[in-house]
Formats: sequence, structure tokens, C-alpha cells
Amino acid sequence: GAGVSQSPSNKVTEKGKDVELRCDPISGHTALYWYRQRLGQGLEFLIYFQGNSAPDKSGLPSDRFSAERTGESVSTLTIQRTQQEDSAVYLCASSWTGEGETQYFGPGTRLLVL
Amino acid sequence: EDQVTQSPEALRLQEGESSSLNCSYTVSGLRGLFWYRQDPGKGPEFLFTLYSAGEEKEKERLKATLTKKESFLHITAPKPEDSATYLCAVQGGSNYKLTFGKGTLLTVNP
Repeated sequence: GAGVSQSPSNKVTEKGKDVELRCDPISGHTALYWYRQRLGQGLEFLIYFQGNSAPDKSGLPSDRFSAERTGESVSTLTIQRTQQEDSAVYLCASSWTGEGETQYFGPGTRLLVL
Repeated sequence: EDQVTQSPEALRLQEGESSSLNCSYTVSGLRGLFWYRQDPGKGPEFLFTLYSAGEEKEKERLKATLTKKESFLHITAPKPEDSATYLCAVQGGSNYKLTFGKGTLLTVNP
């Protein structure tokens, strides 16, 4: 079956612009996660959605970052007023539920802020 | 706070030369330890999940083991196509997020 898909695959933007990244999880997966991978660093958790529960936003680095999810489907991660330190690969993952379940990752969106 | 440390940072092997990668972790209430493989420019690809000390899982040339403090990924008779970055992550406590190590970059020379 289809895996997690993300778009765009690459995004180049100018400092100060807003960007929107999209994630389509595996069909039927109720849990969805966003992570960030900066060069030379491990993956960092950003935000977690589970069904209709309030999202866990504890990993968002600043109020410039926000995310939404429509039901148990598509999610968008928005970064406002981008900064050069936002340059990274943004990875989305989904799982059947949250607890102890394997998270399956998409190919990522490579964001470069000039 | 959950912590994961992977060693070595990089490992270079000759084809057929077996070795092991280490993942040391601290977590409050382990829910699962996960191994992923990541190729350049791609997202992490799932390999194994381990849930309790003593558990072992195998897939082709890879075998993952788990103790209360660390996990090992054993690679037997590696081939050049095994070259990748191997990532270890834990999920613990009341969190559903994964905490990742920085990975081990494995290069297998023919």
C-alpha cells in the first residue's frame, strides 16, 4: 500500500517568508508526527496528533511554528517569518496508534531559507 | 528526559566483515526501542522494534538485541548495499514521541 507522502520535496524560500509543508499519512493511521532533522543532528520531535485529541505541541521551537490536521488525514506544518536556522529536513511519520507502535516516515521536505 | 547515545559515529567495514553498532539509552518506562535505516536524501526506513530486555529480532544480515540500558545492531557479513546511517530511537513514559540518537554512518567497502 501507499506510504507516507510529503510535499513539496524541496522548498527554497527567502528569510521572512511563510512556508507551508504538507503530509499525507498512511490510510487508517490515527497518529501523526512531525520531526525536524538539522544537519549533523538527530531527529527532533515537533508535534503529535492522535485522533480527535488535543495535539502535543511540546516540541515546537517557537510560536512561528504551527500545525493542523484535518480529522485523521492530511496535516500541514506552517512556519511563519522563516529564519535561516529553520533550514532543515522536515519529516512526517504516522502510526496506527501512539503507544509503542512503529512510526513510518515519509521522504521529508528539504527546506532552505536564504 | 529521555536520552539516546549511539556509537560509533561512523564505521567503515570491508565487505564480509561483521560488526556491531551500539545504542545506549535512558528512558522512564520504555514503551519501545526502534531501529531505522536512513539513506542519503530519504526518510528513515523502519527495521526493528524491541519492547523488553532479552528480546532479539533478525532480518537478513541484521540482528537487534536489547538490554535494560542498551541495544545492539549486529551486522553479519555486510554487503556494500548495507551502507547507510542507522538510527536508534526510544519511546517512553507518557510521551508518544520518539527520541533519536544522532546515528551511526556505516560504510561497507567492496
